Parts: sequence; structure tokens; C-alpha cells
Amino acid sequence: KAGVTQTPRYLIKTRGQQVTLSCSPISGHRSVSWYQQTPGQGLQFLFEYFSETQRNKGNFPGRFSGRQFSNSRSEMNVSTLELGDSALYLCASSLKTNTEAFFGQGTRLTVV
Amino acid sequence: AQTVTQSQPEMSVQEAETVTLSCTYDTSESDYYLFWYKQPPSRQMILVIRQEAYKQQNATENRFSVNFQKAAKSFSLKISDSQLGDAAMYFCAYRANAGGTSYGKLTFGQGTILTVHP
Repeated sequence: KAGVTQTPRYLIKTRGQQVTLSCSPISGHRSVSWYQQTPGQGLQFLFEYFSETQRNKGNFPGRFSGRQFSNSRSEMNVSTLELGDSALYLCASSLKTNTEAFFGQGTRLTVV
Repeated sequence: AQTVTQSQPEMSVQEAETVTLSCTYDTSESDYYLFWYKQPPSRQMILVIRQEAYKQQNATENRFSVNFQKAAKSFSLKISDSQLGDAAMYFCAYRANAGGTSYGKLTFGQGTILTVHP
């Protein structure tokens, strides 16, 4: 059974640009959540989607957005990138919202 | 708001020995899950073990076991017969089994770097 797949693995962007990250969950999983990991702030919850609906959102500015498609694949978008957005972005999928989460390998975003 | 605290930034252990990683949490919920995740240098978060709050019996997965003290809000991880492959960052995480602002949200501790010496 394939795991959670995140693409791309690495990204370098310039301040002010926007970026889209993709996450394909484990087959059959309907919940996808996103996390930002930085050395200073640790792991922080961004948002959670279930059946194409955002059901929860962390404390991040509106520049961070996401969506989920009918096949449960999810994308997150960050607009007007700032240097502080440099981080490892992790996606996790769950069979249902509050069952255990399985993580992808992450996308390392560097903003220069 | 729920918080998770790991008070040991770094721990080390000799191969084949036992090590215990500490975690405390704070919540007003009564129904929740606790997890230990391992993050090796590859950065993939790997679920090590889970504990459901309503279960009094401590979870065990092969060499990994937990000591869950619900009243004290403590959730430690014991790794027995440590192996070189156990070296990683370990995160304690909490998830409420509720809706609303708990949907899908894992709250993580700051992590403990575990070094295993041959």
C-alpha cells in the first residue's frame, strides 16, 4: 500500500512569489492535514480537510490556503512568500479525522 | 488550549540499553489520543506507538512501550534494547477525539533528539 506522497520534495522560491505544494494521501484516507515545521516554532498545525471541506485551521495568516479534491488529494498554497515561510511542510493523512495520522516525507521550502 | 511538553531536548543511550523519554501534556478533554512519532534524518515522521486515554493498559509495540499516567498527564516512552536505527528526533503528540477546533489537529511537543552510541 503506497504511503503519503508529497511533491515536490524541495523548492526554492523568491520573496513575494507564491507556491503550491501537493499531497496524495494513502488510498482510502479522507482526512488530510498540513503542518509547518521550523527549528524555532517546531511543528505547527496549518489546516485539515475532510471530504473536500476545510474543517479546522491553525493560527496562520490568510496567505496560507489549501484545498482538497474529490480524490482526497490536497494542495496548499502560500502567496506573497516571506523569508519566514522557509520550512519543512508536512502532510498527513488519516482514515477518518481523528484516527492516527501517517505522514509524507515533506516538502522543504526555502524562500530567498 | 492543549499543550505538550518534552523537557529533554537531548538524550543518549548505549546500544542494547534502555532509555526513557518524557512527555507531559495539559488538556481539559477527557477523550483523547497520545502518540509518539519518530523523525529520522530523512525527515519522515513515523508513528511509533499510540495510546487511547480511556484505556488504562499501557500500549506496547515490540521494543517500545509507554507509561501512561492519566491523572498526572504524563506519557513517557521506553525504548528497550536500543538499536542504532532508533537514533532520531522523537515527538510526543496529542489529539483530542472531538470536533470543532480539534478536527485533525495534532499538538506536538518540541521533540527529543535521541543519540544511540555503539
